[in-house]
Amino acid sequence: GENVEQHPSTLSVQEGDSAVIKCTYSDSASNYFPWYKQELGKRPQLIIDIRSNVGEKKDQRIAVTLNKTAKHFSLHITETQPEDSAVYFCAATARAGKSTFGDGTTLTVKP
Amino acid sequence: NAGVTQTPKFQVLKTGQSMTLQCAQDMNHNSMYWYRQDPGMGLRLIYYSASEGTTDKGEVPNGYNVSRLNKREFSLRLESAAPSQTSVYFCASTGGPFQETQYFGPGTRLLVL
Repeated sequence: GENVEQHPSTLSVQEGDSAVIKCTYSDSASNYFPWYKQELGKRPQLIIDIRSNVGEKKDQRIAVTLNKTAKHFSLHITETQPEDSAVYFCAATARAGKSTFGDGTTLTVKP
Repeated sequence: NAGVTQTPKFQVLKTGQSMTLQCAQDMNHNSMYWYRQDPGMGLRLIYYSASEGTTDKGEVPNGYNVSRLNKREFSLRLESAAPSQTSVYFCASTGGPFQETQYFGPGTRLLVL
């Protein structure tokens, strides 16, 4: 089955700095790569996603890049703010709807 | 739209007791999922239902059973709870243009003593 590795497990940055979280996957059939944000005590919620026919996607301060040949994808957050502090999960989907999640990255943005 | 709802929000069980976690969605989604979330281990799939009338095992199905009651409802049952089942349980359904985006419920926090 699919295996997703996510790094780092914890990340601390100063407000205004950039943050990068990286994931690798094993199943070359995976074609959908979402990122979820989970605030403390809340449910995970989708923040951005990318499909395998696209190399990069951007939404305001958040961007995702995908290297399908190397089987890795990354989340980039620029101009970080304290409200960006949360746990971020990557996922890879090889069959419609059935995602395999990374173990999560706890991002702390220090004011 | 309420989205995905779960009951109860919190439950304490004694070892050996049974209980059913309820999940419902009002988004007309075909597929539904049950995950458990443990510290540092992300979201692990317990069972899923690709459509009404079908269920399949995920990564960690032992000790659990599920029922897809109808298109809206997907329940998770613990027949004989064990301390190792202490976790936060999330139900999800998939939607979006390609039926791949996961929409999560608020979670059920379960403590087994």
